[in-house]
Amino acid sequence: AQSVTQLGSHVSVSEGALVLLRCNYSSSVPPYLFWYVQYPNQGLQLLLKYTSAATLVKGINGFEAEFKKSETSFHLTKPSAHMSDAAEYFCAVSESNAGKSTFGDGTTLTVKP
Amino acid sequence: GAGVSQSPRYKVAKRGQDVALRCDPISGHVSLFWYQQALGQGPEFLTYFQNEAQLDKSGLPSDRFFAERPEGSVSTLKIQRTQQEDSAVYLCASSINSLTGYGYTFGSGTRLTVV
Repeated sequence: AQSVTQLGSHVSVSEGALVLLRCNYSSSVPPYLFWYVQYPNQGLQLLLKYTSAATLVKGINGFEAEFKKSETSFHLTKPSAHMSDAAEYFCAVSESNAGKSTFGDGTTLTVKP
Repeated sequence: GAGVSQSPRYKVAKRGQDVALRCDPISGHVSLFWYQQALGQGPEFLTYFQNEAQLDKSGLPSDRFFAERPEGSVSTLKIQRTQQEDSAVYLCASSINSLTGYGYTFGSGTRLTVV
């Protein structure tokens, strides 16, 4: 069975500081991994995805994530936070070539001026 | 259309009432998913269609929940005899094909409140 754990339900950083949102996964087969962002009263938007190609994945808005099989991790980073990055972020895993993804409970990112 | 469209945006139902939630996916997207998102939690899988075929309904919480996609485009999620625990945001997502690696495009969701 697949599962996702997001460490830290709330993360607060200062504008311009490094953003690090943690995600660990469990999967019985090589996984597909995703990060989504959700702004208030909106649906989830795909930030980036890992599909067994390069282990360092670059996404939209300057975010990137690194797949580390030995650590079963897929942490999301951004070198310099912007006020507009304040949102909720979800990590998700999928095992199969078709079908459902399993989402973590999300991390709310707050950016302080 | 340009994105995944869901209607209504908000729905208040009295306990015991039946509701129908509509999803209009991106034109040409083969795969369509329904998720339930409770307050403060991540989305939880309900069901999945590939074209008109419902391939996985393992996440539907009870036989009061029913989903259909008769022509392989618009989908409807129906909840019969609503209960308070059904209160949540219902998210629809579509994907260009059946390969999960493409990721989803989500709609804005329908917020259901059962009173």
